[in-house]
Amino acid sequence: DQQVKQNSPSLSVQEGRISILNCDYTNSMFDYFLWYKKYPAEGPTFLISISSIKDKNEDGRFTVFLNKSAKHLSLHIVPSQPGDSAVYFCAASGPWATGANNLFFGTGTRLTVIP
Amino acid sequence: KAGVTQTPRYLIKTRGQQVTLSCSPISGHRSVSWYQQTPGQGLQFLFEYFSETQRNKGNFPGRFSGRQFSNSRSEMNVSTLELGDSALYLCASSFQGAAPEAFFGQGTRLTVV
Repeated sequence: DQQVKQNSPSLSVQEGRISILNCDYTNSMFDYFLWYKKYPAEGPTFLISISSIKDKNEDGRFTVFLNKSAKHLSLHIVPSQPGDSAVYFCAASGPWATGANNLFFGTGTRLTVIP
Repeated sequence: KAGVTQTPRYLIKTRGQQVTLSCSPISGHRSVSWYQQTPGQGLQFLFEYFSETQRNKGNFPGRFSGRQFSNSRSEMNVSTLELGDSALYLCASSFQGAAPEAFFGQGTRLTVV
């Protein structure tokens, strides 16, 4: 039962344009959401997070939007750069979590930024 | 500051064997979580250890077990290996009390033949 879903396995974007990666979740108890980036042969790297008390969080070129009523979040990368090409994982956590245990991950979206 | 270190990086085992994977967390981190990554399933939580105690467990069979030592290093053991256990096993460490951002190691690629 996949509680966090990334329905687009891949996305291609031109360099300089906006990349929008989407994520949906089913468990209304989730209260913290994270995005990770993963390069081949490396472990996932934390990118940005958002608490359910917010609807937007920005960090440089990366912005995460949360729509609780739709149980949907998205990651915007502006402008996209070739170095952003990687697999992006959405993850969710709930009030039961203490530390980074029991994160629920999506299946990932492979972003390719075309120079 | 050294990152999360997992050994070995690659492993090939035969069905029915057992395997032990090792993880050294970031210095000062006391929480270690293990995840399994397979194509199409994403990352799935196995278990978490904190202060040498298993604090949380995912939905995996009892063949998957782990432990944590007093220096926070953790090991994961899989017994009676099955072909479906072939996966990338990732270890993540975090600082107790912080938000649940986890720092992952590079993983151990296990292939069961």
